[in-house]
Amino acid sequence: DIQMTQSPSTLSASVGDRVTITCRASQSISTWLAWFQQKPGKAPKLLIYAASNLESGVPSRFSGSGSGTEFTLTISSLQPDDFATYYCQQYKRSPPWTFGQGTKVEIK
Amino acid sequence: QVQLVQSGAEVKKPGASVKVSCKASGYTFISYDINWMRQAAGQGLEWVGWLNPDNGETGHAQKFQGRVTLTRDTSIKTAYMELSSLTSDDTAVYYCARGSGLFRAWGQGTLVTVSS
Repeated sequence: DIQMTQSPSTLSASVGDRVTITCRASQSISTWLAWFQQKPGKAPKLLIYAASNLESGVPSRFSGSGSGTEFTLTISSLQPDDFATYYCQQYKRSPPWTFGQGTKVEIK
Repeated sequence: QVQLVQSGAEVKKPGASVKVSCKASGYTFISYDINWMRQAAGQGLEWVGWLNPDNGETGHAQKFQGRVTLTRDTSIKTAYMELSSLTSDDTAVYYCARGSGLFRAWGQGTLVTVSS
């Protein structure tokens, strides 16, 4: 199975900060990577697919980059609604689909 | 709009089985796989298995071998996940999601609590 490792596990930031989350895959996944945002008691929400494509309706302050084994999610200017947990997920070729362990973005 | 609506919370005793439903609307049910994930309290997301609603083909994570059954009823556009031989480790929120790896639409989640 492909293992996904995110860092950091927790991130403390202020409104207006630029925030970067890293996700590493245990083997190359090309750009078969998605990023999700999850708030307490809610289902995950797709933000980015194919590593760098913004899902429809998602604010442009979110961006993704990377290929192969290393990927980043960047929030250019953190907003109050962005405090949540973020997950990366690989979807290369066939199951099992695997997720990173999550990064919680907290208010500093 | 695409919607996946799951059945309500369940409380089960160890050793029992649970069956969670996922009713689809707003799209052609047989055109997209349904995947199931779970999330224990304070933990990350874990993939459980997938179902092709068109032909009924399924697959699942190795750790659920022999315990998980994925089915569907196309007449009512509903997918089901049944998990047997429950233990406290199966206590989690279970989600269905539409797609073949890329999950744009998710159900609201079903809390399954296993407790004696």
